[in-house]
Amino acid sequence: NAGVTQTPKFQVLKTGQSMTLQCAQDMNHEYMSWYRQDPGMGLRLIHYSVGAGITDQGEVPNGYNVSRSTTEDFPLRLLSAAPSQTSVYFCASSYQGRAKNIQYFGAGTRLSVL
Amino acid sequence: KQEVTQIPAALSVPEGENLVLNCSFTDSAIYNLQWFRQDPGKGLTSLLLIQSSQREQTSGRLNASLDKSSGRSTLYIAASQPGDSATYLCAVCNNAGNMLTFGGGTRLMVKP
Repeated sequence: NAGVTQTPKFQVLKTGQSMTLQCAQDMNHEYMSWYRQDPGMGLRLIHYSVGAGITDQGEVPNGYNVSRSTTEDFPLRLLSAAPSQTSVYFCASSYQGRAKNIQYFGAGTRLSVL
Repeated sequence: KQEVTQIPAALSVPEGENLVLNCSFTDSAIYNLQWFRQDPGKGLTSLLLIQSSQREQTSGRLNASLDKSSGRSTLYIAASQPGDSATYLCAVCNNAGNMLTFGGGTRLMVKP
């Protein structure tokens, strides 16, 4: 059982480049979310989705886009990377389209923007 | 805006000690509170989930309490072991049930 899979594990970008962080889950979870983790700041919610075709903004959405075309996948797009987006990114999912249920996290993507 | 604070930021104890990690939040209108464990370079693993109507939840050597009215939760770890060394994070879920707000975490080291 794979759970929540994030790719890539590591990525280095130059300022202005674009990229997509991938997240996939095989548990048929309706709720999926993206967080960034910065030193000493815990995790901050970027975007979330309560089901296919439905997305909404979290606490720090600027500079990031998401879409949810299938239940399994929730990619996070950086259209024009900035050094302030250097962080560790985590994807999470939970049952029944709600954050109130137990969250399952991926292993993270460590992103550096030069 | 909900704010979640965890104290202390770091803690080092000898093996076998009982210890308490603290979590406080500013808005008591929460749906539930969750405690997570994070090992270095890894994702988060859910430890305990306490509903807003509950006072405590137990799993093995872990016991989490919740006092919603005062905006506080504690995670009690009994008979600590070196394998408990990790960062522990608490997160509160809003009343709508669609967003989590995390604390900054407590980094725990248990020395053999």
